[in-house]
Amino acid sequence: NAGVTQTPKFQVLKTGQSMTLQCAQDMNHNSMYWYRQDPGMGLRLIYYSASEGTTDKGEVPNGYNVSRLNKREFSLRLESAAPSQTSVYFCASVQGAGTEAFFGQGTRLTVV
Amino acid sequence: KQEVTQIPAALSVPEGENLVLNCSFTDSAIYNLQWFRQDPGKGLTSLLLIQSSQREQTSGRLNASLDKSSGRSTLYIAASQPGDSATYLCAVRRWDSTLGRLYFGRGTQLTVWP
Repeated sequence: NAGVTQTPKFQVLKTGQSMTLQCAQDMNHNSMYWYRQDPGMGLRLIYYSASEGTTDKGEVPNGYNVSRLNKREFSLRLESAAPSQTSVYFCASVQGAGTEAFFGQGTRLTVV
Repeated sequence: KQEVTQIPAALSVPEGENLVLNCSFTDSAIYNLQWFRQDPGKGLTSLLLIQSSQREQTSGRLNASLDKSSGRSTLYIAASQPGDSATYLCAVRRWDSTLGRLYFGRGTQLTVWP
């Protein structure tokens, strides 16, 4: 039982490059989320998806796009990376209101 | 907006001590509260989930309590061990337009030395 799987685990980008962070869950969860974690800032919500085909902005969506490809997969895309996007990115999923949220192992992204 | 505060920010104790980590939140209209553990360079591991209707939840040496009306939760760690060293994060969930996003505190960094 893999839970939530993120790829890649580490990435270094040059300013202006693009990339997609992948997330997949095998728990048949409905809702999925992308957070970023920065020192001194805690975890902040970037985008979320209530179900396949629906996505909405969180508190820090600028510079990002997302796709809920199917119920399992939720990807995060950086179209033109900036040094301010250097962070650790976490994907999470949850089945419903009263259940636990599960997190992936994170993607450590450095933009130089 | 929901604000979550964790005190202390860091804690260093000798092995064997009983510990209390504190979490407070500003909006009591929560669905549940979840405690996580994060090891350096790793992801978040769920420790305990307390529903808003519950007062406490226990798992092994861990006990979490919730006082929703006062906006407080505590995580009690009994007989601490060096393996407990990690950052502990508290998060509350409101089932609002974001459909269950978690609002996180900044964590308590715990070091247990032998």
